[in-house]
Amino acid sequence: AQKITQTQPGMFVQEKEAVTLDCTYDTSDPSYGLFWYKQPSSGEMIFLIYQGSYDQQNATEGRYSLNFQKARKSANLVISASQLGDSAMYFCAMRVGTNAGKSTFGDGTTLTVKP
Amino acid sequence: DTGVSQDPRHKITKRGQNVTFRCDPISEHNRLYWYRQTLGQGPEFLTYFQNEAQLEKSRLLSDRFSAERPKGSFSTLEIQRTEQGDSAMYLCASSLQGTASYEQYFGPGTRLTVT
Repeated sequence: AQKITQTQPGMFVQEKEAVTLDCTYDTSDPSYGLFWYKQPSSGEMIFLIYQGSYDQQNATEGRYSLNFQKARKSANLVISASQLGDSAMYFCAMRVGTNAGKSTFGDGTTLTVKP
Repeated sequence: DTGVSQDPRHKITKRGQNVTFRCDPISEHNRLYWYRQTLGQGPEFLTYFQNEAQLEKSRLLSDRFSAERPKGSFSTLEIQRTEQGDSAMYLCASSLQGTASYEQYFGPGTRLTVT
Protein backbone atom coordinates (compact mmCIF):
# COMPACT_ATOMS: atom_id res chain seq x y z
CA ALA A 1 0.00 0.00 0.00
CA GLN A 2 1.10 3.54 -0.65
CA LYS A 3 1.25 6.19 2.03
CA ILE A 4 2.10 9.88 2.16
CA THR A 5 2.94 11.55 5.46
CA GLN A 6 2.97 15.29 6.02
CA THR A 7 3.94 15.95 9.64
CA GLN A 8 3.45 19.73 9.72
CA PRO A 9 -0.23 20.64 10.14
CA GLY A 10 0.62 24.35 10.01
CA MET A 11 3.61 26.48 9.11
CA PHE A 12 4.31 30.22 9.31
CA VAL A 13 6.85 32.11 7.22
CA GLN A 14 7.76 35.75 6.90
CA GLU A 15 7.16 37.34 3.52
CA LYS A 16 10.21 37.08 1.21
CA GLU A 17 11.76 34.25 3.21
CA ALA A 18 12.07 30.60 2.11
CA VAL A 19 10.09 27.78 3.65
CA THR A 20 10.31 23.98 3.46
CA LEU A 21 7.24 21.77 3.66
CA ASP A 22 7.97 18.16 4.58
CA CYS A 23 6.70 15.04 2.84
CA THR A 24 7.69 11.42 3.30
CA TYR A 25 6.31 8.57 1.25
CA ASP A 26 6.15 4.81 1.32
CA THR A 27 5.88 2.46 -1.62
CA SER A 28 7.57 -0.74 -2.71
CA ASP A 29 7.14 0.02 -6.40
CA PRO A 30 10.31 1.37 -8.03
CA SER A 31 8.32 3.47 -10.50
CA TYR A 32 6.39 6.37 -9.01
CA GLY A 33 5.76 10.05 -9.32
CA LEU A 34 5.57 12.62 -6.57
CA PHE A 35 3.46 15.75 -6.88
CA TRP A 36 2.78 18.87 -4.89
CA TYR A 37 -0.51 20.72 -5.10
CA LYS A 38 -1.63 24.05 -3.67
CA GLN A 39 -5.21 24.48 -2.49
CA PRO A 40 -6.21 28.07 -1.70
CA SER A 41 -9.29 28.85 0.36
CA SER A 42 -11.32 28.89 -2.86
CA GLY A 43 -10.86 25.12 -3.03
CA GLU A 44 -9.28 24.39 -6.40
CA MET A 45 -6.24 22.09 -6.48
CA ILE A 46 -3.37 23.71 -8.35
CA PHE A 47 -0.51 21.54 -9.59
CA LEU A 48 2.89 22.93 -8.59
CA ILE A 49 5.69 20.48 -9.29
CA TYR A 50 6.46 16.88 -10.21
CA GLN A 51 9.37 14.54 -9.43
CA GLY A 52 9.79 11.12 -11.02
CA SER A 53 11.41 8.28 -9.14
CA TYR A 54 14.05 7.85 -11.82
CA ASP A 55 14.85 11.53 -12.18
CA GLN A 56 18.45 12.25 -11.30
CA GLN A 57 18.00 15.93 -10.58
CA ASN A 58 15.66 17.71 -8.22
CA ALA A 59 12.68 19.32 -9.95
CA THR A 60 12.34 23.09 -10.05
CA GLU A 61 9.46 25.28 -11.25
CA GLY A 62 10.02 28.98 -10.72
CA ARG A 63 10.01 29.65 -6.97
CA TYR A 64 9.21 26.01 -6.23
CA SER A 65 11.80 23.27 -5.90
CA LEU A 66 11.53 19.73 -4.71
CA ASN A 67 14.24 18.33 -2.41
CA PHE A 68 14.11 14.66 -3.42
CA GLN A 69 16.00 12.25 -1.15
CA LYS A 70 15.19 8.81 -2.48
CA ALA A 71 17.00 6.77 0.15
CA ARG A 72 15.13 8.61 2.90
CA LYS A 73 11.87 8.50 0.91
CA SER A 74 11.35 12.19 1.32
CA ALA A 75 10.14 14.80 -1.18
CA ASN A 76 10.13 18.17 0.54
CA LEU A 77 8.78 21.28 -1.18
CA VAL A 78 10.86 24.42 -0.93
CA ILE A 79 9.21 27.75 -1.67
CA SER A 80 11.67 30.59 -2.08
CA ALA A 81 10.88 34.27 -1.57
CA SER A 82 7.45 33.64 -0.05
CA GLN A 83 4.59 35.89 -1.09
CA LEU A 84 1.31 36.67 0.67
CA GLY A 85 -0.48 34.79 -2.11
CA ASP A 86 1.34 31.61 -1.13
CA SER A 87 -0.88 31.31 1.95
CA ALA A 88 -2.83 28.10 1.29
CA MET A 89 -3.04 24.40 2.01
CA TYR A 90 -0.29 22.33 0.38
CA PHE A 91 -0.66 18.64 -0.43
CA CYS A 92 1.98 16.08 -1.32
CA ALA A 93 0.73 13.23 -3.50
CA MET A 94 2.07 10.09 -5.13
CA ARG A 95 1.14 7.98 -8.13
CA VAL A 96 2.63 4.52 -8.42
CA GLY A 97 3.45 2.17 -11.23
CA THR A 98 3.95 2.33 -14.97
CA ASN A 99 0.18 2.31 -15.42
CA ALA A 100 -0.61 4.59 -12.52
CA GLY A 101 -4.18 5.19 -11.54
CA LYS A 102 -5.14 7.04 -8.41
CA SER A 103 -3.13 9.55 -6.48
CA THR A 104 -2.55 9.06 -2.78
CA PHE A 105 -2.51 12.32 -0.84
CA GLY A 106 -1.15 13.40 2.50
CA ASP A 107 -3.25 15.36 4.96
CA GLY A 108 -1.65 18.62 3.94
CA THR A 109 0.17 21.55 5.51
CA THR A 110 -1.44 24.94 6.00
CA LEU A 111 1.06 27.66 5.13
CA THR A 112 0.54 31.19 6.37
CA VAL A 113 2.77 33.95 5.01
CA LYS A 114 3.12 36.91 7.37
CA PRO A 115 3.67 40.45 6.02
CA ASP B 1 -12.04 27.70 -20.42
CA THR B 2 -10.50 24.35 -21.37
CA GLY B 3 -9.98 23.05 -17.83
CA VAL B 4 -11.93 20.44 -15.89
CA SER B 5 -15.43 21.64 -15.04
CA GLN B 6 -17.85 20.37 -12.44
CA ASP B 7 -21.53 21.02 -11.93
CA PRO B 8 -23.05 22.02 -9.61
CA ARG B 9 -20.49 23.85 -7.51
CA HIS B 10 -22.63 23.61 -4.41
CA LYS B 11 -25.44 21.26 -3.46
CA ILE B 12 -27.53 21.26 -0.30
CA THR B 13 -29.79 18.27 0.13
CA LYS B 14 -31.82 16.61 2.82
CA ARG B 15 -30.81 13.27 4.24
CA GLY B 16 -32.26 10.44 2.22
CA GLN B 17 -32.39 12.30 -1.08
CA ASN B 18 -30.41 11.29 -4.17
CA VAL B 19 -27.88 13.64 -5.76
CA THR B 20 -25.95 13.55 -9.02
CA PHE B 21 -22.81 15.46 -9.90
CA ARG B 22 -21.30 15.98 -13.33
CA CYS B 23 -17.68 16.30 -14.40
CA ASP B 24 -16.40 17.37 -17.81
CA PRO B 25 -12.70 16.55 -18.19
CA ILE B 26 -10.15 18.18 -20.44
CA SER B 27 -11.20 16.98 -23.87
CA GLU B 28 -8.13 14.98 -24.88
CA HIS B 29 -7.74 13.28 -21.48
CA ASN B 30 -8.70 9.62 -21.41
CA ARG B 31 -8.47 9.18 -17.65
CA LEU B 32 -11.04 10.60 -15.23
CA TYR B 33 -10.91 10.37 -11.45
CA TRP B 34 -13.27 11.09 -8.57
CA TYR B 35 -12.02 12.03 -5.10
CA ARG B 36 -13.75 13.05 -1.88
CA GLN B 37 -12.26 15.63 0.46
CA THR B 38 -13.48 16.37 3.97
CA LEU B 39 -12.45 19.43 5.95
CA GLY B 40 -8.81 19.39 7.01
CA GLN B 41 -7.99 16.22 5.07
CA GLY B 42 -6.37 15.39 1.79
CA PRO B 43 -8.47 14.08 -1.10
CA GLU B 44 -9.41 10.41 -0.87
CA PHE B 45 -9.68 8.34 -4.03
CA LEU B 46 -13.12 7.05 -4.96
CA THR B 47 -12.91 5.68 -8.49
CA TYR B 48 -11.39 6.22 -11.91
CA PHE B 49 -12.14 5.57 -15.56
CA GLN B 50 -10.06 5.01 -18.61
CA ASN B 51 -12.28 6.06 -21.48
CA GLU B 52 -15.64 4.50 -20.57
CA ALA B 53 -14.23 1.62 -18.49
CA GLN B 54 -14.29 1.92 -14.71
CA LEU B 55 -10.92 0.46 -13.74
CA GLU B 56 -10.84 0.83 -9.97
CA LYS B 57 -13.22 1.53 -7.12
CA SER B 58 -12.23 2.34 -3.57
CA ARG B 59 -13.67 0.53 -0.57
CA LEU B 60 -14.96 4.00 0.36
CA LEU B 61 -17.40 3.74 -2.54
CA SER B 62 -20.35 2.07 -0.86
CA ASP B 63 -23.31 0.58 -2.71
CA ARG B 64 -25.02 3.96 -2.46
CA PHE B 65 -22.41 5.50 -4.76
CA SER B 66 -22.30 4.89 -8.49
CA ALA B 67 -20.24 6.52 -11.21
CA GLU B 68 -20.52 6.38 -14.97
CA ARG B 69 -18.67 7.65 -17.97
CA PRO B 70 -20.90 6.41 -20.76
CA LYS B 71 -19.15 7.74 -23.84
CA GLY B 72 -15.71 8.23 -22.45
CA SER B 73 -16.20 11.96 -22.11
CA PHE B 74 -18.12 13.44 -19.18
CA SER B 75 -18.80 11.48 -16.00
CA THR B 76 -21.53 11.46 -13.39
CA LEU B 77 -21.31 10.52 -9.73
CA GLU B 78 -24.59 9.62 -8.04
CA ILE B 79 -25.16 9.24 -4.33
CA GLN B 80 -28.38 7.53 -3.34
CA ARG B 81 -30.07 7.94 0.05
CA THR B 82 -27.60 10.57 1.20
CA GLU B 83 -26.35 10.56 4.77
CA GLN B 84 -24.85 13.39 6.80
CA GLY B 85 -21.48 11.66 6.56
CA ASP B 86 -21.57 12.20 2.80
CA SER B 87 -21.08 15.94 3.33
CA ALA B 88 -17.76 16.73 1.65
CA MET B 89 -16.12 18.29 -1.37
CA TYR B 90 -16.26 15.96 -4.38
CA LEU B 91 -13.34 16.56 -6.73
CA CYS B 92 -13.00 15.39 -10.28
CA ALA B 93 -9.66 15.19 -12.07
CA SER B 94 -8.44 14.10 -15.47
CA SER B 95 -5.12 13.11 -16.95
CA LEU B 96 -3.78 12.39 -20.40
CA GLN B 97 -2.28 8.99 -19.72
CA GLY B 98 -1.84 6.47 -16.97
CA THR B 99 1.87 6.80 -16.44
CA ALA B 100 2.95 8.30 -13.14
CA SER B 101 4.55 11.28 -14.84
CA TYR B 102 1.25 12.72 -16.00
CA GLU B 103 -0.24 15.01 -13.42
CA GLN B 104 -3.92 15.09 -12.73
CA TYR B 105 -5.77 18.31 -13.44
CA PHE B 106 -8.49 19.02 -10.93
CA GLY B 107 -11.83 20.68 -11.32
CA PRO B 108 -13.20 23.25 -8.85
CA GLY B 109 -15.17 20.61 -6.95
CA THR B 110 -18.77 20.16 -5.87
CA ARG B 111 -19.41 20.93 -2.23
CA LEU B 112 -22.18 18.72 -0.86
CA THR B 113 -24.00 19.53 2.36
CA VAL B 114 -26.47 16.97 3.69
CA THR B 115 -28.86 18.37 6.28
